[in-house]
Amino acid sequence: TQLLEQSPQFLSIQEGENLTVYCNSSSVFSSLQWYRQEPGEGPVLLVTVVTGGEVKKLKRLTFQFGDARKDSSLHITAAQPGDTGLYLCAGAYAGGTSYGKLTFGQGTILTVHP
Amino acid sequence: DAGVIQSPRHEVTEMGQEVTLRCKPISGHDYLFWYRQTMMRGLELLIYFNNNVPIDDSGMPEDRFSAKMPNASFSTLKIQPSEPRDSAVYFCASSWGPVQEQYFGPGTRLTVT
Repeated sequence: TQLLEQSPQFLSIQEGENLTVYCNSSSVFSSLQWYRQEPGEGPVLLVTVVTGGEVKKLKRLTFQFGDARKDSSLHITAAQPGDTGLYLCAGAYAGGTSYGKLTFGQGTILTVHP
Repeated sequence: DAGVIQSPRHEVTEMGQEVTLRCKPISGHDYLFWYRQTMMRGLELLIYFNNNVPIDDSGMPEDRFSAKMPNASFSTLKIQPSEPRDSAVYFCASSWGPVQEQYFGPGTRLTVT
């Protein structure tokens, strides 16, 4: 069974601060997705990374995929209260019994205080 | 497009009762997933379908849980009999192709007393 560890579990910061969320596995991903979930709603996709070493930017959010495709990070610059939510990473593993499905990390609950 | 539709949004039931959750995926999507989310265990995959056929139900907790997809536009997740430990938010998601972006419904919050 592939395990996907996400850290930290909770993050409480002030507006304007920077933060990084990590997602790690002992197995190689074929691709990795980051989702954001707001209270009372389902997760919504932010980005998909596929290539080792890939970096993608979405406004103040920077997503990085490790060279070995076993880890990923999400960095938010100058966090705003609107960034508050649950951030989930989800890994797709190539082939085998895991083909076709995503394994989700436990999530990081981010609270940005004004 | 209306997105993934789930009903009911909230369900409160007593232990031992049958519960049926419903999902309408996005038209044209060929994968459908059922998840359960709790604070303790996070988002867990229960079962998923490809072209209406169940592919992997290894996440279904026990025989009290069953899921069907009679056609491309409808799926149900049934719990019979329900227990308090089944209380959670249940999400349905659909995607076009494997490991592509999954579109989640708003979830059904189930409370079993």
